[in-house]
Amino acid sequence: AQTVTQSQPEMSVQEAETVTLSCTYDTSENNYYLFWYKQPPSRQMILVIRQEAYKQQNATENRFSVNFQKAAKSFSLKISDSQLGDTAMYFCAFTSRETSGSRLTFGEGTQLTVNP
Amino acid sequence: DGGITQSPKYLFRKEGQNVTLSCEQNLNHDAMYWYRQDPGQGLRLIYYSQIVNDFQKGDIAEGYSVSREKKESFPLTVTSAQKNPTAFYLCASRDRLSGNQPQHFGDGTRLSIL
Repeated sequence: AQTVTQSQPEMSVQEAETVTLSCTYDTSENNYYLFWYKQPPSRQMILVIRQEAYKQQNATENRFSVNFQKAAKSFSLKISDSQLGDTAMYFCAFTSRETSGSRLTFGEGTQLTVNP
Repeated sequence: DGGITQSPKYLFRKEGQNVTLSCEQNLNHDAMYWYRQDPGQGLRLIYYSQIVNDFQKGDIAEGYSVSREKKESFPLTVTSAQKNPTAFYLCASRDRLSGNQPQHFGDGTRLSIL
């Protein structure tokens, strides 16, 4: 079974600075997908960024980028130029083609607070 | 706009009562999912369905039941057998045939015991 671990329950950053959230996972599969979701105080789950394991290039979406280290099974999220609206719980998630129903396995989450 | 609608937003359950949470999607997705979120924790899978009239248990199915009579709808019933139902419930859907497409989520239902 796959597991996803986020070792930082809480983090804080000053507005306009850069922060990196960590995520590690465990799987024996080779073809899988990784996601970062954001859950602001409204409790909506919002997709931030996705990465296919077969792609060596790290995914980027505006101020958000990932550092995908397949051999180390690491998938960290970097937020540049942090904004107050980035304050949220961030979840790392895993799925694969072999996973029944393409179900997502989530980490425990990291609460990020952006300070003015 | 296409999306997932969960209702109600808040729900209260009395002891011994069954309650049903609604989830409707107009994204034409085959796969639908129910997750439970407890305070300060991640999401845990309750049930999922990949096609109409078929569904599978997730990690914490005890005390819950579902049905999938229509592609658009995947209601979750929290039965009286679920002794600790207070949580935030999220419904999601996904295009089953697309490998890297993410799950789309509804806005959630918060269930509390009276």
